[in-house]
Amino acid sequence: GAGVSQSPSNKVTEKGKDVELRCDPISGHTALYWYRQSLGQGLEFLIYFQGNSAPDKSGLPSDRFSAERTGGSVSTLTIQRTQQEDSAVYLCASSPPPGMTDTQYFGPGTRLTVL
Amino acid sequence: KQEVTQIPAALSVPEGENLVLNCSFTDSAIYNLQWFRQDPGKGLTSLLLIQSSQREQTSGRLNASLDKSSGRSTLYIAASQPGDSATYLCAVETSGSRLTFGEGTQLTVNP
Repeated sequence: GAGVSQSPSNKVTEKGKDVELRCDPISGHTALYWYRQSLGQGLEFLIYFQGNSAPDKSGLPSDRFSAERTGGSVSTLTIQRTQQEDSAVYLCASSPPPGMTDTQYFGPGTRLTVL
Repeated sequence: KQEVTQIPAALSVPEGENLVLNCSFTDSAIYNLQWFRQDPGKGLTSLLLIQSSQREQTSGRLNASLDKSSGRSTLYIAASQPGDSATYLCAVETSGSRLTFGEGTQLTVNP
């Protein structure tokens, strides 16, 4: 079946512009996660959704970052007034409802470059 | 704050060797530990998941162990192949379902 998909695969933007990154989780997966992978920083957690609510937003690095999820499916990560330090690969993952496997299934990522 | 460390950072071996990758974590209050593989420019592929109550998991040539009390896990790869070349990431799941990742071990298996 289809895996987690993310779009765009690559995004180049100018400093100060807003960007939106999209994640389509695996159908039927109730949990959705956003992570960021930066050079020299490794993979860091950003936010977690269970259904449409986000019980844990503590990983968002600043108030320029926000995310939403609608219909228990698609999620959008928005970065306002982008800065060069926002350049990274943004990875989305989803996992099945509680009681099934805890494995998180990752998408291919969106590579964001802020000039 | 949970911290995950992976040793070595890089490893290069000839084809056919058995090898061990190490992962350690500072807070033993974990729900599970997962090993992932990442190929260049790609996302992460889950290899093995060990629940906190388990000691090991096996899949094909891969075997992962977990010693929760000492905060350690190992990933054993038997009879390595060039196709095993990738970065291997260890991650622990703590409260809130978040994963905390190590920096990874970059493995190269030479033909």
